[in-house]
Amino acid sequence: AQTVTQSQPEMSVQEAETVTLSCTYDTSESDYYLFWYKQPPSRQMILVIRQEAYKQQNATENRFSVNFQKAAKSFSLKISDSQLGDAAMYFCAYRRPRSGAGSYQLTFGKGTKLSVIP
Amino acid sequence: GAGVSQSPSNKVTEKGKDVELRCDPISGHTALYWYRQSLGQGLEFLIYFQGNSAPDKSGLPSDRFSAERTGGSVSTLTIQRTQQEDSAVYLCASSSRVGDYEQYFGPGTRLTVT
Repeated sequence: AQTVTQSQPEMSVQEAETVTLSCTYDTSESDYYLFWYKQPPSRQMILVIRQEAYKQQNATENRFSVNFQKAAKSFSLKISDSQLGDAAMYFCAYRRPRSGAGSYQLTFGKGTKLSVIP
Repeated sequence: GAGVSQSPSNKVTEKGKDVELRCDPISGHTALYWYRQSLGQGLEFLIYFQGNSAPDKSGLPSDRFSAERTGGSVSTLTIQRTQQEDSAVYLCASSSRVGDYEQYFGPGTRLTVT
């Protein structure tokens, strides 16, 4: 079974600075998808960024980028120019590949609570 | 169109009572997921529906939990004889087709069992 580990329960960053959230995962599959979700106090999970394992290039979405190290099974999220609105819980998630039978549920890490200091 | 909606937003119930939680997915989305978010266990998959196929119930924690999806749209998660350990946020998500990697989440229902 796949597992996702986020070793930082809480992190803080000064406004306008950069912060990196860590995530490692365990899988025996070679093709899969990785995600970072943001959950603000409103509870609604919002997709921040996704990475397909077969792509070597790291995904980037505006101020958010990932460092995907497939051999090390590491998938960290970097937030640049942090803003007050970035304060939230961040969850790393794994999804099995599209092919094959079965469902496509997400396997989540325990989350990292990010605080942004004005 | 509108996003995934869930009702009620919050539910307080007494131990032993049955509860029903509702999820209305994005129109046209054929796949629907239920997850549970609790302090001790984090986010856990519960059940998955895809079109008219038999649901994947592999994540349901006990036979007190059941879910149905009527007409391929609205889904109801039912918890019978609620226990205090059922207290959690229940999240619903939908996606447009099998293999579509983006799941869109609703705001969840916070269930408190007293």
